[in-house]
Amino acid sequence: TQLLEQSPQFLSIQEGENLTVYCNSSSVFSSLQWYRQEPGEGPVLLVTVVTGGEVKKLKRLTFQFGDARKDSSLHITAAQTGDTGLYLCAGLSGYALNFGKGTSLLVTP
Amino acid sequence: DTGVSQDPRHKITKRGQNVTFRCDPISEHNRLYWYRQTLGQGPEFLTYFQNEAQLEKSRLLSDRFSAERPKGSFSTLEIQRTEQGDSAMYLCASSLAPTVAFATNEKLFFGSGTQLSVL
Repeated sequence: TQLLEQSPQFLSIQEGENLTVYCNSSSVFSSLQWYRQEPGEGPVLLVTVVTGGEVKKLKRLTFQFGDARKDSSLHITAAQTGDTGLYLCAGLSGYALNFGKGTSLLVTP
Repeated sequence: DTGVSQDPRHKITKRGQNVTFRCDPISEHNRLYWYRQTLGQGPEFLTYFQNEAQLEKSRLLSDRFSAERPKGSFSTLEIQRTEQGDSAMYLCASSLAPTVAFATNEKLFFGSGTQLSVL
């Protein structure tokens, strides 16, 4: 199983601040996906990055795939309380997606 | 609602009892996954089906666990002789996959999960 390390594990910020969370591995992935999970719910897919160096934007969220396709980052601009949740990265390992442990983000007013 | 549906949402059982969970995927989706998630962890892969065929099982899936998808539609996950370590959120996901291999643009749609507590 290819391990995905996410950092930081926890992050607490105030509304309006910017933040970046990371997803790292020693293995090369053909693609990485980012999900957001709210308490008591299943993860929801945010984006899939496929090409090394790729940057994708989803409103205030910017996703980047490393040139070597071993790592990825998620940057949130001007965080809002609605961004609170567990952010998970996932990459293909064998026949299924393998998830990192996630970054738990809390955005306070 | 045409999303992935899981039942029950919560299950409390005593150690040693058997439990069964059900997952209804999005209707046209041919692939169905089971994951398990404990507090502070990401989802861990258990098994998946391509239509009715169970193609892969994680070593996490001990012989007390069995999953079925008899007609390629809904799936059940049964845990026999439950243990306290089985307490977790059991998540089901479905996708539309054109081939057996995982596609780079494959999108998983997750249900809300079944929270199992074994006392």
